[in-house]
Amino acid sequence: EPEVTQTPSHQVTQMGQEVILRCVPISNHLYFYWYRQILGQKVEFLVSFYNNEISEKSEIFDDQFSVERPDGSNFTLKIRSTKLEDSAMYFCASSEGTTGRGDEQYFGPGTRLTVT
Amino acid sequence: AQKVTQAQTEISVVEKEDVTLDCVYETRDTTYYLFWYKQPPSGELVFLIRRNSFDEQNEISGRYSWNFQKSTSSFNFTITASQVVDSAVYFCALTRGAQKLVFGQGTRLTINP
Repeated sequence: EPEVTQTPSHQVTQMGQEVILRCVPISNHLYFYWYRQILGQKVEFLVSFYNNEISEKSEIFDDQFSVERPDGSNFTLKIRSTKLEDSAMYFCASSEGTTGRGDEQYFGPGTRLTVT
Repeated sequence: AQKVTQAQTEISVVEKEDVTLDCVYETRDTTYYLFWYKQPPSGELVFLIRRNSFDEQNEISGRYSWNFQKSTSSFNFTITASQVVDSAVYFCALTRGAQKLVFGQGTRLTINP
């Protein structure tokens, strides 16, 4: 069964450093998302991406964040200058977009980011 | 604005008991979609069910059942004859469509042997 993959599974970085989290969505999916989950809290939306551009972003997704689809398979989330409060699990998700609205979003296993 | 409330932060039951997880949502949209996801201790998010706003028929899948009531804006999830493997955090979520999911705070379910 197709699945969303994410690398790395765990990333440790120092405050102020740039990090890039990578995702490979399911190949025929058209919509891509990033969410984050601070430990013990709910899952929060960061950004959605469709047709090679951001379709929606949350208040969390400020200028420190960017997303890119550099080729036909990868979908990346970059944090330019990490802060301690960026420590969280980051989930990538994708959905088909061909069956109309309300597609199931398939989630990757997540990348645990620890900022020290 | 859309909002999902899961008032039960934690539930603990003994194996084989039935347990219901509550979910109440708010939206001004007439078309919307509701989801339940399971997050086991390993951390991944596992899709359980999707329901659209026009389909109020209850659904049963094995030991799992869902009760969708538009009149009370609720989408509750019941596990019958719970098992230790059901221990996880369960999230209810809402979306307009091919857009962001709005999650509730989650309910941590512990099934004790």
